[in-house]
Amino acid sequence: KQEVTQIPAALSVPEGENLVLNCSFTDSAIYNLQWFRQDPGKGLTSLLLIQSSQREQTSGRLNASLDKSSGRSTLYIAASQPGDSATYLCAVKGAGSYQLTFGKGTKLSVIP
Amino acid sequence: NAGVTQTPKFRILKIGQSMTLQCTQDMNHNYMYWYRQDPGMGLKLIYYSVGAGITDKGEVPNGYNVSRSTTEDFPLRLELAAPSQTSVYFCASSPPGLGSNEQFFGPGTRLTVL
Repeated sequence: KQEVTQIPAALSVPEGENLVLNCSFTDSAIYNLQWFRQDPGKGLTSLLLIQSSQREQTSGRLNASLDKSSGRSTLYIAASQPGDSATYLCAVKGAGSYQLTFGKGTKLSVIP
Repeated sequence: NAGVTQTPKFRILKIGQSMTLQCTQDMNHNYMYWYRQDPGMGLKLIYYSVGAGITDKGEVPNGYNVSRSTTEDFPLRLELAAPSQTSVYFCASSPPGLGSNEQFFGPGTRLTVL
């Protein structure tokens, strides 16, 4: 059974810092990996989708990498801003599966 | 495009009551999903549908039912509500295919069963 782990559970950084969020998964047979942002009391906003054949995806200040063989993904946020404060969720879609398996998230606080 | 919309936003039920959570998407996506999110836990799939008239169970289907009569709508029915069903419910949709399809989520329904 696929399991997704996100470390750390919470992270606090000063504004302007570059930071990395980590995601690991136990079964490397995946179709894709998706990073989401969730603001308190809100739904999930898709940030980046990485196909299993890709190594990384970039959107603005965000860069996500995927190492399928080692079961790891990282989300790199450059020049963090207070508006980046949210919970970041990692989810993988297993080969042959319709569902996403989610991690518990990393709660990020960017201090002005 | 409104994307994925859900109603209601909040609801309080008494034990044993029933209700339907509504979900509508306007992106003409074939695939739709229901997830629940418990505090401090990852989202878990309840049911999914790959098209009108086709539904299947996810990881945690007990206590729920779904139907899919149109491409746009995918309601989730709770029968005999129990405190264990207190959660935030998210509906999602995606284009068809097992592979590369990105899932888009609605704003959620926060349900409390007392």
